[in-house]
Amino acid sequence: DVKVTQSSRYLVKRTGEKVFLECVQDMDHENMFWYRQDPGLGLRLIYFSYDVKMKEKGDIPEGYSVSREKKERFSLILESASTNQTSMYLCASSFGETYQPQHFGDGTRLSIL
Amino acid sequence: KQEVTQIPAALSVPEGENLVLNCSFTDSAIYNLQWFRQDPGKGLTSLLLIQSSQREQTSGRLNASLDKSSGRSTLYIAASQPGDSATYLCAVVSDYKLSFGAGTTVTVRA
Repeated sequence: DVKVTQSSRYLVKRTGEKVFLECVQDMDHENMFWYRQDPGLGLRLIYFSYDVKMKEKGDIPEGYSVSREKKERFSLILESASTNQTSMYLCASSFGETYQPQHFGDGTRLSIL
Repeated sequence: KQEVTQIPAALSVPEGENLVLNCSFTDSAIYNLQWFRQDPGKGLTSLLLIQSSQREQTSGRLNASLDKSSGRSTLYIAASQPGDSATYLCAVVSDYKLSFGAGTTVTVRA
């Protein structure tokens, strides 16, 4: 079974802090994704990566950056956290072909105070 | 931009009744469609994936159909059980990206 592991289930940070969310997958997937999920808005794509050191903006990249130095690890960075970034963050991974399914981690519930 | 809509937003049924969940999307140029289940506070579990060339997929009590030309998919859950209570999300793949609906929250009453 595919295992996508997010480093924290719950995280509380203060406004202005630099926040790192980590995601690791164990299936040698080429593609990795970061989403945020908000009530009434569903899941929205922040960034994705189709290879090491490669990244593409999703629908809502503002205020975020990402890092993919190794194939199995994809990090989401909040450069200067703000209260409107309080959300559930979900990481996913998939094999290279577009038709392959995405596999999700359990999510990180981030609160910015 | 792909828009995915799920109606109804919430559904409550007695145990044993069949569930019908609807999903519609605006751009028919999709690679596949995935149905997910999400329990409160948890991540997403993939239930079924239908490739764009397929009409339906089945797994146990679950059956999903796809009509790409009309931009619709339906998830059927037969003989519902209280353990089926969850939020069900559909998502379509276009150009590596998954576009999600807001989900249908299902409650199965014992």
